[in-house]
Amino acid sequence: AQSVTQLDSHVSVSEGTPVLLRCNYSSSYSPSLFWYVQHPNKGLQLLLKYTSAATLVKGINGFEAEFKKSETSFHLTKPSAHMSDAAEYFCVVTLSGSARQLTFGSGTQLTVLP
Amino acid sequence: EPEVTQTPSHQVTQMGQEVILRCVPISNHLYFYWYRQILGQKVEFLVSFYNNEISEKSEIFDDQFSVERPDGSNFTLKIRSTKLEDSAMYFCASSELGDHSTIYFGEGSWLTVV
Repeated sequence: AQSVTQLDSHVSVSEGTPVLLRCNYSSSYSPSLFWYVQHPNKGLQLLLKYTSAATLVKGINGFEAEFKKSETSFHLTKPSAHMSDAAEYFCVVTLSGSARQLTFGSGTQLTVLP
Repeated sequence: EPEVTQTPSHQVTQMGQEVILRCVPISNHLYFYWYRQILGQKVEFLVSFYNNEISEKSEIFDDQFSVERPDGSNFTLKIRSTKLEDSAMYFCASSELGDHSTIYFGEGSWLTVV
């Protein structure tokens, strides 16, 4: 069965500094991997997805993530944090092309300090 | 940009009462889902629905729950005889036939059972 582990429950960065949110996954099959963001009192918004094409995936708002099969990782990065990036981020895995059940990580709360 | 809409945004109900949560998926999407997030816990898959029938469901989705597509636009989740532990944010989601791995979420319906 697939699973996903977000290594940090809280990350705090200063505005203008890089963001790194870590995610490791476990899957018996070729996974699809996603990052979703949830702003306060808002729904889940898709940031980016990996589905076995390019290993470096670019998403919205300047975020990107790199799929590393050897490390079973899919870390989310952004070169320069903005105050509006403060939110909860979820790493998500599903079986590529078959099951439609998303398995969510426990989430990382990102705080951006002025 | 098309979006999934959910009503109500917040509902308070007494234990034992029936609740219906409503959703309007994105218009050209054919797969529909319900997920829930109990406060402080992970987002969990409940059920997926395609071609007017349930395609997958989790162990959470027991006889207390049912889903329906009563017309061409709405998708509902009914919870019979609510329990305190049903208090959660319920997310509706949808995806296209051709790209069912990308799932779009609504803003959620917050259910409080008292």
